[in-house]
Amino acid sequence: EAQVTQNPRYLITVTGKKLTVTCSQNMNHEYMSWYRQDPGLGLRQIYYSMNVEVTDKGDVPEGYKVSRKEKRNFPLILESPSPNQTSLYFCASSPRDRGGNQPQHFGDGTRLSIL
Amino acid sequence: LAKTTQPISMDSYEGQEVNITCSHNNIATNDYITWYQQFPSQGPRFIIQGYKTKVTNEVASLFIPADRKSSTLSLPRVSLSDTAVYYCLVGDVWVTGKLIFGQGTTLQVKP
Repeated sequence: EAQVTQNPRYLITVTGKKLTVTCSQNMNHEYMSWYRQDPGLGLRQIYYSMNVEVTDKGDVPEGYKVSRKEKRNFPLILESPSPNQTSLYFCASSPRDRGGNQPQHFGDGTRLSIL
Repeated sequence: LAKTTQPISMDSYEGQEVNITCSHNNIATNDYITWYQQFPSQGPRFIIQGYKTKVTNEVASLFIPADRKSSTLSLPRVSLSDTAVYYCLVGDVWVTGKLIFGQGTTLQVKP
């Protein structure tokens, strides 16, 4: 089954304790992206990757890191989490077809609570 | 980057056709228009994508005028299960991976 898998689905942790949210896709998609979703603010892009070893900042990259060492995986790293990073996070992937056909497939989300 | 503007909320009744319009005045030549549906605590789900004129699939139609400065998602004969948030997104990940979602439209379908 084609899917984007995020882990963990839920996490409660404390300020300053490094954490990683994993994201894996099995569709051989070139493009991957991370979003956070907060009430009243919609989906905001954190980082994206156009291909392996190519990453770039989205709208709200501060406090986050990513890596894309292989095509299927795109982990999100919070080196020193703070309470303002408490949010619902989504990973997504899509093909990078030149002629369109770029529907993003989203994971089920990771709810992070930073105390 | 094209910014999108949608109504914050809409109400409808079961069996009616619903049209949600998205404004994207500074859409780029290469940009595609994509609509997503999101239920609470779930990831957005792709509905439909188009570049110009009309696109139709098994769940919706997308109307795009010639100037492409707006688009309209049409949901025929909605049911209670269509109650969700609908997002319009404009962009082209072949050119740039930076994407900005609009605020979304909360559609409430009533019996």
